Amino acid sequence: DIVMTQSPDSLAVSLGERATINCKSSQSVLYSSNNKNYLAWYQQKPGQPPNLLIYWASTRESGVPDRFSGSGSGTDFTLTISSLQAEDVAVYYCQQYYSTPYTFGLGTKLEIK
Amino acid sequence: QLQLQESGPGLVKPSETLSLTCIVSGASISSSSYYWGWIRQPPGKGLEWIGSIYYSGSSYYNPSLKSRVIISVDTSKNQFSLKVSSVTAADTAVYYCARAPNILNPFDNWGQGTLVTVYS
Repeated sequence: DIVMTQSPDSLAVSLGERATINCKSSQSVLYSSNNKNYLAWYQQKPGQPPNLLIYWASTRESGVPDRFSGSGSGTDFTLTISSLQAEDVAVYYCQQYYSTPYTFGLGTKLEIK
Repeated sequence: QLQLQESGPGLVKPSETLSLTCIVSGASISSSSYYWGWIRQPPGKGLEWIGSIYYSGSSYYNPSLKSRVIISVDTSKNQFSLKVSSVTAADTAVYYCARAPNILNPFDNWGQGTLVTVYS
């Protein structure tokens, strides 16, 4: 199984400031045949299901604000929120879908400082 | 607009079988290349993929659960189902059904989830 390791476990950022969450996979999730990274980011608010934010490591899902961006390739990935808003308080998960079993990171809890 | 809704008992006794159904509305479960999956989340913990199925019945399971899990699809009712046998307290979790546009794709639509508690 591909192990997904997120850091930090929790993060407190001031409103309007940048938040950065990291995700590392135990093996590359880059498919050389199509040059795509099989990596997604989800946001989960309390009592709600996860919501897809980013897929293919850097493609924003429809309706997701452009303050959310994803970057990275191979084994190292980053989710960046450029200017934190109050509604961004949530737990963020990365997921690899390069191979089954699909696996998720343990999550990063983002709070307001 | 696609909607997924989990249904089933909220309480299951140890050693018995957990059974859940995901009712799909707003789209045909047989349409396009969609895969339909189950993911669970123990209280206060992270997400675990259980398995996914195509409308034809082709399925993929997490090896950690494969010996106890069956996922099936009923295209006439536009729904798919999950059975987990021989449950223990470790199977207590919120169970989500979700859709992926294809195999090896992320889950872009999720149900609200249903809490299943294994109690003795």
